[in-house]
Amino acid sequence: QKEVEQDPGPLSVPEGAIVSLNCTYSNSAFQYFMWYRQYSRKGPELLMYTYSSGNKEDGRFTAQVDKSSKYISLFIRDSQPSDSATYLCAMGRADSSYKLIFGSGTRLLVRP
Amino acid sequence: NAGVMQNPRHLVRRRGQEARLRCSPMKGHSHVYWYRQLPEEGLKFMVYLQKENIIDESGMPKERFSAEFPKEGPSILRIQQVVRGDSAAYFCASSGTSGKTDTQYFGPGTRLTVL
Repeated sequence: QKEVEQDPGPLSVPEGAIVSLNCTYSNSAFQYFMWYRQYSRKGPELLMYTYSSGNKEDGRFTAQVDKSSKYISLFIRDSQPSDSATYLCAMGRADSSYKLIFGSGTRLLVRP
Repeated sequence: NAGVMQNPRHLVRRRGQEARLRCSPMKGHSHVYWYRQLPEEGLKFMVYLQKENIIDESGMPKERFSAEFPKEGPSILRIQQVVRGDSAAYFCASSGTSGKTDTQYFGPGTRLTVL
């Protein structure tokens, strides 16, 4: 069983839709939770960073962490074609926060 | 404001040859991390280095792979006697500190193809 599970998609939505991306994990030691966006043939770009449980909002993006369920989500409001990319969740433990554990990524396509 | 630089962007090697991947961290960053991404998979941690020190190499294969971050110059990931299974994208990231809230900034990656 992988430490971090992520639905690979692809997820296809019309422009303007609300997108929900999710990851589940098995290791209760994870304390740091991140979402990265990766365009084709590019490096990952950090979108959201959350410590422990709770919500965090930044513009059209909202990250949620539910540690009791071992479940994290990224919501994208008013999705745009430029949001089309692969979204990777990543997690870190308190004792080795630099060692990011990534999900396999969800490919998102926003149709004009 | 240059970001993390990696070169070459694409590298083709025949089985048994050596591959050298280079990473220059962001200006002011002294912590470097290497990750490997296989097709349709997430990134896998390989090694964490500071200047002249390997801090954590728990993700590195035991043989053929080595990494360094010298006092001067870029960090180097070296793969000796490459095999087809080494074909992947190799990403380097850097951070200013290894503090709990520090962000890792990723480079564009080197795509290694082993023929």
